[in-house]
Amino acid sequence: GAVVSQHPSRVICKSGTSVKIECRSLDFQATTMFWYRQFPKQSLMLMATSNEGSKATYEQGVEKDKFLINHASLTLSTLTVTSAHPEDSSFYICSASRVGVNSPLHFGNGTRLTVT
Amino acid sequence: KNEVEQSPQNLTAQEGEFITINCSYSVGISALHWLQQHPGGGIVSLFMLSSGKKKHGRLIATINIQEKHSSLHITASHPRDSAVYICAVRADGLTFGKGTHLIIQP
Repeated sequence: GAVVSQHPSRVICKSGTSVKIECRSLDFQATTMFWYRQFPKQSLMLMATSNEGSKATYEQGVEKDKFLINHASLTLSTLTVTSAHPEDSSFYICSASRVGVNSPLHFGNGTRLTVT
Repeated sequence: KNEVEQSPQNLTAQEGEFITINCSYSVGISALHWLQQHPGGGIVSLFMLSSGKKKHGRLIATINIQEKHSSLHITASHPRDSAVYICAVRADGLTFGKGTHLIIQP
């Protein structure tokens, strides 16, 4: 099956620093990638949708200047949490899909971010 | 905005029992996904449905477009099925249910 690799799996950073999370589709071309956030014991919250070569579409309430998303190629999207604060500590997950609104979703294993 | 309701929120059952998890949504969709999330956080996509019924091993997913309702069934449940099951619907965007926390006891 399709594989999506997300890196790093865990990261601890200090307040004020920036953290980059990578999401790669290993065996298919992902025209669309999604970024999610999950708080403890809660469901996934879609943060943004990115299409290769164009600007990401952010969900309401998600600060695009704080969560920078780049989808420069068909196999790589990155999420950068800028000037991280402790409240940004969360579980971040990406998923990727091929072209087509009804293509299956393939998920990365997630990144546990802790901001101290 | 689509409202997605899942039930039950929590379910504990004995090994071998037949499990049903329900998902209802409020507006028309192009597809519905059933996802499985294990305690470590990794998510697996189980099914993507736009109509009818799909089966994979002991898992069965059905959808009724007119009633805006989908069910996920697990036959002969096993402790390794313990996980959070999440329904997600795709319309203008992607909306997730709150998940069903399933525990199968041996």
